[in-house]
Amino acid sequence: EIVMTQSPATLSVSPGERATLSCRASQSVSSNLAWYQQKPGQAPRLLIYGASTRATGIPARFSGSGSGTEFTLTISSLQSEDFAVYYCQQYNNWPPGVFGPGTKVDIK
Amino acid sequence: EVQLVESGGGLVQPGGSLRLSCAASGFTFSSYAMSWVRQAPGKGLEWVSAISGSGGSTYYADSVKGRFTISRDNSKNTLYLQMNSLRAEDTAVYYCAKVLLTTVVPYYFDYWGQGTLVTVSS
Repeated sequence: EIVMTQSPATLSVSPGERATLSCRASQSVSSNLAWYQQKPGQAPRLLIYGASTRATGIPARFSGSGSGTEFTLTISSLQSEDFAVYYCQQYNNWPPGVFGPGTKVDIK
Repeated sequence: EVQLVESGGGLVQPGGSLRLSCAASGFTFSSYAMSWVRQAPGKGLEWVSAISGSGGSTYYADSVKGRFTISRDNSKNTLYLQMNSLRAEDTAVYYCAKVLLTTVVPYYFDYWGQGTLVTVSS
């Protein structure tokens, strides 16, 4: 089974600053990588699929890049509502849901 | 608007049973595969089970195989998870999640319910 890792575990950022989150797969997942945002007490929300395609309604400040084993989620200018936990998920190989451990973005 | 509303969670003793439901609306339910994903308190996301749009194919994580049963009633637009022989490590918020395909293959989840909490404790 593919193992997903994310770094850093916690990222402290000031509002208006840029945030860069990393996700790594233990073997190639091509571009079959999604990113989710989860706020406390809420369900995950799909942000990015296909490594770089924003889901419906997701602001342009969120962008994804990468392929193979290395992926990045960038939030260009953090807004107050962006402080949350972010998970990556590979969907290239079975089982259907293999998630990374998450990166918490908190206020610096 | 797509809506997924889970129910049925609660406190249950080890070895007990519980059935979760997920009521779907805003899309043609029978056209899409569905999954259950859980999240233990303070932990990450773990896929639990999946079912095809027709209900003819079902899949389970090794951690729940033989204890949990996923099913769906397309006439009622409802997904179920029957959980038997519950253990303390099954304590989690259980989410139902939709994918964009009819068959169960690895894919991203485009909509999630708000979750229902299952607590297994004596």
